[in-house]
Amino acid sequence: DGGITQSPKYLFRKEGQNVTLSCEQNLNHDAMYWYRQDPGQGLRLIYYSQIVNDFQKGDIAEGYSVSREKKESFPLTVTSAQKNPTAFYLCASSLWASGSQETQYFGPGTRLLVL
Amino acid sequence: AQTVTQSQPEMSVQEAETVTLSCTYDTSESDYYLFWYKQPPSRQMILVIRQEAYKQQNATENRFSVNFQKAAKSFSLKISDSQLGDAAMYFCAYRSAVLRAGNNRKLIWGLGTSLAVNP
Repeated sequence: DGGITQSPKYLFRKEGQNVTLSCEQNLNHDAMYWYRQDPGQGLRLIYYSQIVNDFQKGDIAEGYSVSREKKESFPLTVTSAQKNPTAFYLCASSLWASGSQETQYFGPGTRLLVL
Repeated sequence: AQTVTQSQPEMSVQEAETVTLSCTYDTSESDYYLFWYKQPPSRQMILVIRQEAYKQQNATENRFSVNFQKAAKSFSLKISDSQLGDAAMYFCAYRSAVLRAGNNRKLIWGLGTSLAVNP
């Protein structure tokens, strides 16, 4: 089955701890994205990556870091510098091309809670 | 900067009836894409339908269709023969089709409309 997987489904973070959210896709998509969703707000872009070994900051990158060592994988680390990390995190992927082929498809999400 | 507005935070519809969700957007660009995504209680974001701005014909996907009014910058979603499984948050999103420096191809999102389907 082609798709996007995210793990874990729920993640708990202690004070001062870094945690990593996993995102894997087998759609052969070039681009991958991380969004944060808070109640009453639209999705906000954290980071995106167009190709392997390259990524760009989105609108709310502070307190987060990413890596893109493989085309299929785009893990997100929530660092201790992110003071309000409680949110729902969505990973997406798309082709990187002109036209509607660039439609973004989403994984099932990870709910991050602070203990 | 582009913005997307969904003016109806909540709506409800009777099963088998038709409902229309509103979305307006603001942009100075002429080439762009518009999307409707559905987020059911599972919270996975699911693509419902997309529209290319250069196409005059309204997109249709089974029971879902859009009314795209480019001059009015309006992009409403019509759901026909509503089913219980259509109950979800619906988000309207915009993406520029113009590639330029600093354009990160991001989706610009509305705040969503919560749709309840009554049996």
